[in-house]
Parts: sequence; C-alpha cells; structure tokens
Amino acid sequence: GQQLNQSPQSMFIQEGEDVSMNCTSSSIFNTWLWYKQDPGEGPVLLIALYKAGELTSNGRLTAQFGITRKDSFLNISASIPSDVGIYFCAGLSTSGTYKYIFGTGTRLKVLA
Amino acid sequence: GAGVSQSPSNKVTEKGKDVELRCDPISGHTALYWYRQSLGQGLEFLIYFQGNSAPDKSGLPSDRFSAERTGGSVSTLTIQRTQQEDSAVYLCASSPGYGGSAYGYTFGSGTRLTVV
Repeated sequence: GQQLNQSPQSMFIQEGEDVSMNCTSSSIFNTWLWYKQDPGEGPVLLIALYKAGELTSNGRLTAQFGITRKDSFLNISASIPSDVGIYFCAGLSTSGTYKYIFGTGTRLKVLA
Repeated sequence: GAGVSQSPSNKVTEKGKDVELRCDPISGHTALYWYRQSLGQGLEFLIYFQGNSAPDKSGLPSDRFSAERTGGSVSTLTIQRTQQEDSAVYLCASSPGYGGSAYGYTFGSGTRLTVV
C-alpha cells in the first residue's frame, strides 16, 4: 500500500541532544500529523499541521508543514529517556476516500 | 468506552487456522479503521468503515481477509487460513465524523498476531 518515506529509519542519541526527522511524499497533502508509538501501545497524536509553511510546537516538540506540501519535519529539543519510541508522520489522502497514509516510522533510542 | 479497545492483545495461532480480531471503538465515533504493522514497518492501511459500511477496502491484502462492523460500533477483522506472513500487529483506530478527520485517529493498543 501507499506509504510515506521517513528518515532516518532509526537513530541513537544522547540524552539532552536535539533530534530531527523528516517525512517525504510524492503526493501533496493538506494535513500532516505526527504520532508517537510507545512499545506495546498504539500511536498517540503529538502535533497536527494544516497549512503549508505552518510551524507548530507542543512542549519540546516542533513540527513544520513543508512549503511544497510534500514533506514535513519534526524536531525534539533536549531529548529525555521517555522520548524513546517510534515516530510516525501521516498525511491526509484525498484520493478516493479520505484517510490518513502513514509513514514508515523513525525509531528513536535515547542513551542516558 | 473511554478509549479504543482491542482484543485479544496477543494471539498465537497455527498456520492454516482462522482468527478473529475484535475492535471496540470510542463511543460515538462513526469512522473505524484497521491498520497492520509488520515488524519494523510502518502502518499499512487495511479497511475503513463509516457506520456499518466499508467504503474503502483497498488495503485488504487478499481474499483471506475480511471485516465487518455491526451496530455502528464493534468491528471484527477475520483472517482465514492464516499464513506466517500474516504475523503482525493489527491496529484499530476510530474518529468522529468521516475518514478525513482533521484531528486524526485514536488508536487501540493493537493485537499482536503470531502465526506458527
């Protein structure tokens, strides 16, 4: 099925470091979401973006809706051990029935 | 209920057997979705329900997979004659309104299916 490409696929970082990840698509999306999945749980919504160029923050998290509407970025500042998990982007597909298409995920591991 | 509930949380089955996975969405949410997450992979869309109807079944991988929803609430995903490649976490999600909810979906914790 259709998926968005996320990079990096995985990353190990030291506690306190900043993290950047991105999501790219060949299609234009009008809404981008970022989710986090803890081990053994379902994904939980972190940030929603609705307008090209939009920059939105949620605590230490900041996400941006790319100008081309084909990409989005997520930054985490001053990482802490509980940031560990898988981060997914999702774009709202309006081709056919409206539904969210999810990215391949970025697996984050934080070293204390 | 307060959240999306899925059962069982874990299921181990023998190759060739049929399995049923259950999803109880948030009360009042009319839209319900099934996604599959294979090891190390992203979320693969399977099927979308609006009420009891499934306007989009495009993600079901084969005719061994089917799903239904009754009473605009509980949904069951059935996999017949399971194969080892069916092993994955099956996630259910719901949202109010239609599939393009601006606030995304609320996910359950998933059913981890292992076919041996």
